[in-house]
Amino acid sequence: DADVTQTPRNRITKTGKRIMLECSQTKGHDRMYWYRQDPGLGLRLIYYSFDVKDINKGEISDGYSVSRQAQAKFSLSLESAIPNQTALYFCATSGGTSGILQFDEQFFGPGTRLTVL
Amino acid sequence: AQKVTQAQTEISVVEKEDVTLDCVYETRDTTYYLFWYKQPPSGELVFLIRRNSFDEQNEISGRYSWNFQKSTSSFNFTITASQVVDSAVYFCALSEAYSGGSNYKLTFGKGTLLTVNP
Repeated sequence: DADVTQTPRNRITKTGKRIMLECSQTKGHDRMYWYRQDPGLGLRLIYYSFDVKDINKGEISDGYSVSRQAQAKFSLSLESAIPNQTALYFCATSGGTSGILQFDEQFFGPGTRLTVL
Repeated sequence: AQKVTQAQTEISVVEKEDVTLDCVYETRDTTYYLFWYKQPPSGELVFLIRRNSFDEQNEISGRYSWNFQKSTSSFNFTITASQVVDSAVYFCALSEAYSGGSNYKLTFGKGTLLTVNP
């Protein structure tokens, strides 16, 4: 089974609809992230969470909200979807040991392709 | 603020050619990590390598090699004897610490699309 799963994998919706993308992980990592990928722009960070009580905005958080329901679950919501939110969305997790200056690589889910008509 | 530049948007080579993907970064931190990820046509992101700022040794893994040079703020990736299966988008990424913390976030370059033709 995959360590980082995302549901749904594909979604087509209409402008103005509320959409939730879900991410679950079995890696036991504290840190979770949401990115969006647009052609030619690489990956951009939307929100990140370093533990259940810590949620932070990334570089493009407008129009999005998140919920960290548990250590293993991090959901991304589009309250009122608009066409320019059409993109590939990735969830990622990373480990690391607090108090020690080290950083583990981020592990990515398979992505959710969202189309807003 | 940290920044990663991958100046090559697209590269096309013929199988068995060597190819180098460039990555230049900017950071004010003295402690940071650099990464390369591969995104094949199937879309998933695959971790390739991590390098910390204190280790400038080059690394080789099979046909892949990485050249880290702090003096030029570059972390270039070379594929030797390229194969069609190497066709993918390759991302370079940088992480730096928040001041006073052990938490990090990752900044990606815009990626280089590598096409290896048979």
